[in-house]
Amino acid sequence: DVKVTQSSRYLVKRTGEKVFLECVQDMDHENMFWYRQDPGLGLRLIYFSYDVKMKEKGDIPEGYSVSREKKERFSLILESASTNQTSMYLCASTPSQGRGSYTFGSGTRLTVV
Amino acid sequence: SQQGEEDPQALSIQEGENATMNCSYKTSINNLQWYRQNSGRGLVHLILIRSNEREKHSGRLRVTLDTSKKSSSLLITASRAADTASYFCATWGSNYQLIWGAGTKLIIKP
Repeated sequence: DVKVTQSSRYLVKRTGEKVFLECVQDMDHENMFWYRQDPGLGLRLIYFSYDVKMKEKGDIPEGYSVSREKKERFSLILESASTNQTSMYLCASTPSQGRGSYTFGSGTRLTVV
Repeated sequence: SQQGEEDPQALSIQEGENATMNCSYKTSINNLQWYRQNSGRGLVHLILIRSNEREKHSGRLRVTLDTSKKSSSLLITASRAADTASYFCATWGSNYQLIWGAGTKLIIKP
């Protein structure tokens, strides 16, 4: 089974801190995605990557950056965390071939205080 | 951006009853997918139905697709407490990403 692992289930950070959310997948998928999920707002795409060192902005990239130095790892960076970035963060991956399904990680619940 | 719209937004039924959720979408599709999300967890892929298919089964799940109405339904038969979750439909957009609906929250009462 494809596995997508997010490094933390729960995270509490202070306003202004630099925050790293890590995501690792073990099935050699080319495409990786970061979403945030808030009540009533559904899944919103922050950034995605089609290959190593490639990144594309999603619908809400402001306040975030990403890094993909290796194929299996896609990191989301909050440069200076703010309280409005308190959310559930979900990582997903999918192969580049065809239009198949996504495999999601278990999510990271980030609270910024 | 969201293409799919699930209906209803929330559904509460007794254990053992069938649950039906609907999804409408706006543009032509290659396939349509359904996912489940248990509270506080990631999404799990349930079933994919291609645009040339009208019905698909997987265990207690039955998905139908009507491309003329741009709609799909997910039926869960003989519901169980473990089916309590949010259910999302998703379709592939023009920029090779899944576009998500807002989800249906299903509660199974014991």
